[in-house]
Amino acid sequence: GDSVTQMEGPVTLSEEAFLTINCTYTATGYPSLFWYVQYPGEGLQLLLKATKADDKGSNKGFEATYRKETTSFHLEKGSVQVSDSAVYFCALSDLTGGGNKLTFGTGTQLKVEL
Amino acid sequence: GAGVSQSPSNKVTEKGKDVELRCDPISGHTALYWYRQSLGQGLEFLIYFQGNSAPDKSGLPSDRFSAERTGGSVSTLTIQRTQQEDSAVYLCASTLTGVTGDTQYFGPGTRLTVL
Repeated sequence: GDSVTQMEGPVTLSEEAFLTINCTYTATGYPSLFWYVQYPGEGLQLLLKATKADDKGSNKGFEATYRKETTSFHLEKGSVQVSDSAVYFCALSDLTGGGNKLTFGTGTQLKVEL
Repeated sequence: GAGVSQSPSNKVTEKGKDVELRCDPISGHTALYWYRQSLGQGLEFLIYFQGNSAPDKSGLPSDRFSAERTGGSVSTLTIQRTQQEDSAVYLCASTLTGVTGDTQYFGPGTRLTVL
C-alpha cells in the first residue's frame, strides 16, 4: 500500500537558518504530493502541493519539488522565522489507491528560536 | 466564505457510551473525508464520501464506527460503545471534487476523550 516517510523531529533551528524536512513516498500509481502545516492550537492547512513529476510547489517562502526518480518531496525554506514553528506533514493522494484520500507521514515538529 | 466546521469541539465520554461527531463541509464541495489524529497512530484516513457514490469505508478501524452523509452535505461520524483507544482528534475535510490532487480543506477537529 501507499506510505509516506518523513524525518523524525523535533527540528530546532535559529531564526534565518535554512530548513530541509525530508519526505519520501511509496505509491502504486502516480500520486499527488502535499505538505500540510499545523500551527499550535490550529487545524491542518495546506502549505503547498505538486501533482506531477518535476512540478515545484511553493508558498510563504517554502518550496518542494516532486522527484519521481527518487520518490521524494523534500520541504525547504531559505530563512525560517519564529512564526514558522509548527508541525509539518507530508502527504500523498493516489487515485490507484482509491479516490483522493490522503496518506500522511508522521509529522515533523519545527521549533525556530531567536 | 465559511470553512469546514465541526461540532462539538471537545467531547468527554465514558467508556461504553455512544458518541456522534458532526461535520459541515464547505458549501458546494462534493467530497467529504474523515480522519483521526492520535498520538500512537498519527493521522489516519477513516471514510470518504463522493457525491452519491457508495462511501469508501476502508479506513474504519472496527464495526463500532459508522458515518453517514445526508443530502450530500452534513456528515455524522458515530462511534458506538466507545473504548479508551478511540480517544483522538477527529478531523473532517472537504474538496470541491474528488479528483486526485484536489486540495482538502480541514475543519478544526473534535477532540474526543474516552474515560
